[in-house]
Amino acid sequence: AQSVSQHNHHVILSEAASLELGCNYSYGGTVNLFWYVQYPGQHLQLLLKYFSGDPLVKGIKGFEAEFIKSKFSFNLRKPSVQWSDTAEYFCAVTSEGNQGGKLIFGQGTELSVKP
Amino acid sequence: DAGVTQSPTHLIKTRGQQVTLRCSPKSGHDTVSWYQQALGQGPQFIFQYYEEEERQRGNFPDRFSGHQFPNYSSELNVNALLLGDSALYLCASSFYPDHSYEQYFGPGTRLTVT
Repeated sequence: AQSVSQHNHHVILSEAASLELGCNYSYGGTVNLFWYVQYPGQHLQLLLKYFSGDPLVKGIKGFEAEFIKSKFSFNLRKPSVQWSDTAEYFCAVTSEGNQGGKLIFGQGTELSVKP
Repeated sequence: DAGVTQSPTHLIKTRGQQVTLRCSPKSGHDTVSWYQQALGQGPQFIFQYYEEEERQRGNFPDRFSGHQFPNYSSELNVNALLLGDSALYLCASSFYPDHSYEQYFGPGTRLTVT
């Protein structure tokens, strides 16, 4: 069965620090990968997505993620975080034959950025 | 352009009761998915509706059922509520033929079972 694992449950950073959130998935076939963000009091929204092509994808608000197929990983990065990045971040996957269907989410990583 | 809307915002029910949650998809979307998000966990897929039929289903018991109406809105019904059904229920909509496969999420309904 497919699963997604996010290594860090809670990350605390100071403003301007660099961010990397880990995400690993288990699935033998081709996948589509997503990072969603949930700001306090707001609904889930898409940060970025990978379907094919360049494994380094750029999203909104300066976030990027790199797909490393050999490591089954899709880590999220940002060079310099801001206080407004405080939120919960979810990695999600869907199999290639299931586009638009079931999303499998990791358990989430809570990011707290200190001003 | 209205996004995904859900009602009610909060709901408190007693164990054994039945509940109905409602979702209106984003304008132009024809597919609705439902997810359950327990506290401290990521969302878990319940099922997806397209063309008024259940297209996919996750690992949830038959107590969880749904419906999609001709205007693409959807309902999630849960029978014989258990304490463990307490969670945030999220609705997500998408446009099936759209190859971006992006699902847009609503604000959720917080269900508390006592």
